[in-house]
Amino acid sequence: DAKTTQPPSMDCAEGRAANLPCNHSTISGNEYVYWYRQIHSQGPQYIIHGLKNNETNEMASLIITEDRKSSTLILPHATLRDTAVYYCIPRTGTASKLTFGTGTRLQVTL
Amino acid sequence: DTEVTQTPKHLVMGMTNKKSLKCEQHMGHRAMYWYKQKAKKPPELMFVYSYEKLSINESVPSRFSPECPNSSLLNLHLHALQPEDSALYLCASRASGRLNEQFFGPGTRLTVL
Repeated sequence: DAKTTQPPSMDCAEGRAANLPCNHSTISGNEYVYWYRQIHSQGPQYIIHGLKNNETNEMASLIITEDRKSSTLILPHATLRDTAVYYCIPRTGTASKLTFGTGTRLQVTL
Repeated sequence: DTEVTQTPKHLVMGMTNKKSLKCEQHMGHRAMYWYKQKAKKPPELMFVYSYEKLSINESVPSRFSPECPNSSLLNLHLHALQPEDSALYLCASRASGRLNEQFFGPGTRLTVL
């Protein structure tokens, strides 16, 4: 599994965009980038995934660099409920397990 | 029904007790998982069941014994645990298919005295 590097913590003002970076320079060609988040005292929640194209859903956007060595998760209008630990997880399509790194603790403030 | 339920929410047990954690899903998912999460750490995979058969055991001590009696239910039997086993135990399920995401339950917070 590819190793990931994420900043341990970030702050964001409510209503502003939160941009969460992830470095995965050793990612292999068949590994997708998955993002999950874990709100305090809850189980992790799937957000989005992508291979090489940018992706968007109702929760977030995922921007993957052309060389696939890094990606950015964008929450376009962060709210207090987005305060959580965000995990970037490379995973192949056939892999049945997730290997969580240390993640980024995002604090959204008023 | 798009959720994974876990019972109990909290459990306190002594080192000589035997207890079980229960996980249930009714989404028709055929892969189910147990993770362990220590405080301020990321979840760590313990076991994976695929079509009711154990497919991955991440070298978990035998005092943790998983069971998958049917496609909707996953148990984790606990016996002779140590205080360092105190953690949040998370269950997850996933539909068949290469890219499908895992759905997690809220977890059982276990304290071993």
